[in-house]
Amino acid sequence: NAGVTQTPKFQVLKTGQSMTLQCAQDMNHEYMSWYRQDPGMGLRLIHYSVGAGITDQGEVPNGYNVSRSTTEDFPLRLLSAAPSQTSVYFCASSYLMSGLTGELFFGEGSRLTVL
Amino acid sequence: QQQVKQSPQSLIVQKGGISIINCAYENTAFDYFPWYQQFPGKGPALLIAIRPDVSEKKEGRFTISFNKSAKQFSLHIMDSQPGDSATYFCAASRTLTGGGNKLTFGTGTQLKVEL
Repeated sequence: NAGVTQTPKFQVLKTGQSMTLQCAQDMNHEYMSWYRQDPGMGLRLIHYSVGAGITDQGEVPNGYNVSRSTTEDFPLRLLSAAPSQTSVYFCASSYLMSGLTGELFFGEGSRLTVL
Repeated sequence: QQQVKQSPQSLIVQKGGISIINCAYENTAFDYFPWYQQFPGKGPALLIAIRPDVSEKKEGRFTISFNKSAKQFSLHIMDSQPGDSATYFCAASRTLTGGGNKLTFGTGTQLKVEL
């Protein structure tokens, strides 16, 4: 049972480069989201999706794009990386009806460094 | 603007002692309050959660106390063990209209349980 799988686990970019962080889940969850974790800041929501073809912005969406073409995949794109985007990124998913439980299932994270 | 404030930032407790982590929120639209536990190199995982109409919830050594009027809630870890050493995040969940949750996290507490 793979759960939520994120790739790559580590990535170093130069300022201005673009890249995509991949996220896939095999639990048939409708809801998927991306968080970034920074020291002293906790986890902040970047973008989320409640189903294929539907995405919305979270707290810190600037500099990031997402799309949801399938239930399983929710990639996060950085179009022009900046040092401020150095962070650990987590993808998380849940069933829509788990709204009453608040339980998100997280991947193991992707550590991104922008030089 | 930090909607969920968490303290302390770090905590050292002796084995067998009680660990207490406190959180306060501002938005009364939150409808569920989960706590997540994160080990180094891993994603957060749900530990325990409480509804705002309940004042206390206990699961094993972990207890959430909730004070709706004060907009505060806390996690108590009884008989703390070295294996409890991790980062703990409180969160406040708001159910989205179309389903799914929007979680706002606290800044995290790094707990170390010493022998």
